[in-house]
Amino acid sequence: DIVMTQSPDSLAVSLGERATINCKSSQSVLYSSNNKNYLAWYQQKPGQPPKLLIYWASTRESGVPDRFSGSGSGTDFTLTISSLQAEDVAVYYCQQYYATPPAFGQGTKLEIK
Amino acid sequence: EVQLLEFGGDLVQPGGSLRLSCAASGFTFSSFDMSWVRQAPGKGLEWVSAISGSDFRTYYADSVKGRFTISRDNSKNTMYLQMNSLRAEDTAVYYCAKSSGQRVPAAIVDWFDTWGQGTLVTVSS
Repeated sequence: DIVMTQSPDSLAVSLGERATINCKSSQSVLYSSNNKNYLAWYQQKPGQPPKLLIYWASTRESGVPDRFSGSGSGTDFTLTISSLQAEDVAVYYCQQYYATPPAFGQGTKLEIK
Repeated sequence: EVQLLEFGGDLVQPGGSLRLSCAASGFTFSSFDMSWVRQAPGKGLEWVSAISGSDFRTYYADSVKGRFTISRDNSKNTMYLQMNSLRAEDTAVYYCAKSSGQRVPAAIVDWFDTWGQGTLVTVSS
């Protein structure tokens, strides 16, 4: 099974500053036939279900603010929030869908400094 | 509006059984693969099971294989999770999640674009 590891486990960033969350997979999730990375990012606020932010490692879901961006390829990926807003306080998860079972990272808790 | 609503969570004793339901609306249910994803209290997300839209192929996490059964009734726009031989470690909020429906070569389960609010299953004596 593919194991997803996020870093850091928690992060405190000042309002308006950049937040960066990393995700590493135990094997490549780049599918060579279509050159796409099978990776998604989710945001989960307290008491709410997860919300899809990004798929194909860098494609924003409709309605997601453009301060959220995804990057990376192969085994190393990054979620960046360019200018942190108060409503971005949440736990963020990466998920691979290259292989079954689909696997999530352990989550990164983002707070305001 | 696409909506998923889970039912059936409860307190059950170890070794007991429970059936969860997920009622879908706002989209053509039979055209989309669906999954159950769970979250133990204070913990992360764990995929449990998936079922394809029209030919009902099923997939399970090793942790529930042989104990849980996923099914769906496309005429009722509803998905189910029959949970038997429940253990304390099955305690979690169980979410119903809709797959994207996009063509994803070589992937059995892709990303989840819609989630329900979840239903709490507690396994305890």
